[in-house]
Amino acid sequence: TAGITQAPTSQILAAGRSMTLRCTQDMRHNAMYWYRQDLGLGLRLIHYSNTAGTTGKGEVPDGYSVSRANTDDFPLTLASAVPSQTSVYFCASSDETGDVNEQFFGPGTRLTVL
Amino acid sequence: GQNIDQPTEMTATEGAIVQINCTYQTSGFNGLFWYQQHAGEAPTFLSYNVLDGLEEKGRFSSFLSRSKGYSYLLLKELQMKDSASYLCAVMDSNYQLIWGAGTKLIIKP
Repeated sequence: TAGITQAPTSQILAAGRSMTLRCTQDMRHNAMYWYRQDLGLGLRLIHYSNTAGTTGKGEVPDGYSVSRANTDDFPLTLASAVPSQTSVYFCASSDETGDVNEQFFGPGTRLTVL
Repeated sequence: GQNIDQPTEMTATEGAIVQINCTYQTSGFNGLFWYQQHAGEAPTFLSYNVLDGLEEKGRFSSFLSRSKGYSYLLLKELQMKDSASYLCAVMDSNYQLIWGAGTKLIIKP
């Protein structure tokens, strides 16, 4: 089972350019999340989706947008990248029907904005 | 505000026991999670506590005291592969996870 995949693995992006980070899961989980992880800080939630067709803002949504057209895919778009968006981005999913509802993470995308 | 505190770094010896503490202040509580994250990799789920007490899972145990806003992760019979960061996260009243910055555990032979 693939679980969650993310693409690309890493990217160097010029400031002002746009980019979409891709995330796909094959576990049929209803909830999906995008986090960024920066040195010395905890994972911070950017956007989330509780089910296909709905999205919500997390702690640090500015400069990012998401869509959830179907259960499997949850792309994250940076419309006009800035250096402060240099980070490691993790996509995660969870099955909200269980007792524990742990989140499963993709391998991450390392993004550098110059 | 919401806050999760855990030590930045700990060192322990192979074969020994180590306890990683986590204290939290959050708006509501719907469970506490521990994750392991090896360098350059994704976090992976270790344990979940929603009621007070100890949950044991092999060499790893996790404890929760909701009245004290406190949890710990206990790792026994440490192995070199346990060298990793350990992340504490609390699910708040909105069912969103609030994450600590993680504790980097260094295991020495």
